[in-house]
Amino acid sequence: GAVVSQHPSWVICKSGTSVKIECRSLDFQATTMFWYRQFPKQSLMLMATSNEGSKATYEQGVEKDKFLINHASLTLSTLTVTSAHPEDSSFYICSARPPGQINYGYTFGSGTRLTVV
Amino acid sequence: AQSVTQLDSHVSVSEGTPVLLRCNYSSSYSPSLFWYVQHPNKGLQLLLKYTSAATLVKGINGFEAEFKKSETSFHLTKPSAHMSDAAEYFCVVSDSGSARQLTFGSGTQLTVLP
Repeated sequence: GAVVSQHPSWVICKSGTSVKIECRSLDFQATTMFWYRQFPKQSLMLMATSNEGSKATYEQGVEKDKFLINHASLTLSTLTVTSAHPEDSSFYICSARPPGQINYGYTFGSGTRLTVV
Repeated sequence: AQSVTQLDSHVSVSEGTPVLLRCNYSSSYSPSLFWYVQHPNKGLQLLLKYTSAATLVKGINGFEAEFKKSETSFHLTKPSAHMSDAAEYFCVVSDSGSARQLTFGSGTQLTVLP
């Protein structure tokens, strides 16, 4: 149980275009999902917390207008990288946890490798 | 506030020998601690977790970790390394005062030599 599906697994886009990444909880409802960014050979950095039905909470230094997060349902959160530039190239990972299970380990999506050319 | 320090950025072992990946943490509250493994271009897989029950935690693939409060440590061990264990390992803390947020260590790259 507690499966999180992330799509696409990789994407290449041209500079200036927008890219949408989807994160789905397949067998549980997730009122909260988390988006991370990982640069090569580095740890994960929390970008934002996605809240179903309300605005996302962004970490300091993350541009909310550039990284648009929508959590329209209890099983789907999307991250849109707008006007992408090469420096946005990175590995993006989402995670979620079944509700009411504070001691349950978070489940992570398989990640999305974004390359902006 | 919570933080995690993984003491080794890279560990190299021979196949069949023991593995030790070190992790120290700090937390203002009773922490939950996790070890995750990440293979190249993949998401994170939970190896094991400590959540205030038994201090010696057994996980998948023969890994285990011991929570030592006096040393604020949560080192990951495995008696005998396998080639498939080669990956990046992250120690993660989540304290009860901040249930929404995980804090990641910087990661340890494990190399297994034939």
